[in-house]
Amino acid sequence: AQKVTQAQTEISVVEKEDVTLDCVYETRDTTYYLFWYKQPPSGELVFLIRRNSFDEQNEISGRYSWNFQKSTSSFNFTITASQVVDSAVYFCALSEEGQGGSEKLVFGKGTKLTVNP
Amino acid sequence: DAEITQSPRHKITETGRQVTLACHQTWNHNNMFWYRQDLGHGLRLIHYSYGVHDTNKGEVSDGYSVSRSNTEDLPLTLESAASSQTSVYFCASSPGLGVAGANVLTFGAGSRLTVL
Repeated sequence: AQKVTQAQTEISVVEKEDVTLDCVYETRDTTYYLFWYKQPPSGELVFLIRRNSFDEQNEISGRYSWNFQKSTSSFNFTITASQVVDSAVYFCALSEEGQGGSEKLVFGKGTKLTVNP
Repeated sequence: DAEITQSPRHKITETGRQVTLACHQTWNHNNMFWYRQDLGHGLRLIHYSYGVHDTNKGEVSDGYSVSRSNTEDLPLTLESAASSQTSVYFCASSPGLGVAGANVLTFGAGSRLTVL
């Protein structure tokens, strides 16, 4: 069975600090996808990134970067020079390929990030 | 622009009543999903559909039902609402197999349901 663990329930930082959100996953499949979603205080869920299990290259998008390590089953998310607008709940999610294709996502419980001015 | 809309956005009901939450998407996506969000539990899958007339149970399906009669709509019904079903409900859709970004979910704005 697939499982996503976000051990950090809440993180509080001061603006301009770097912060890393941890995500550890469990799956029996060799083909799977990992995601990060952002939920700002307004409540909507915003897609940030998707990686497949065959692509372990780290990715950088502006102040955001993602570190995918299959050896430790982790897909961590780092925000560099955090800003108040980064305050949100961040969810990591997993989708297995599975028999016949499986496109449902299993989510972690989320990490609430507060960036203080 | 394509969108996914949920209604009502807020609802208060009483225990035992039947409640239906609507979800309508104009993305022409094959897949549709219902999740509930509760503090300490994150997002949990209730039901999902990979196409018209296809429905499947998710992790927390007891007390809920869905039907998919067309591509655009996946209404979620609570047959007899219980206080434990007080939650925020999110509908989502994704393109489906064979399409780029097949499993990337686009979410609706959410429906907050309170069962008294």
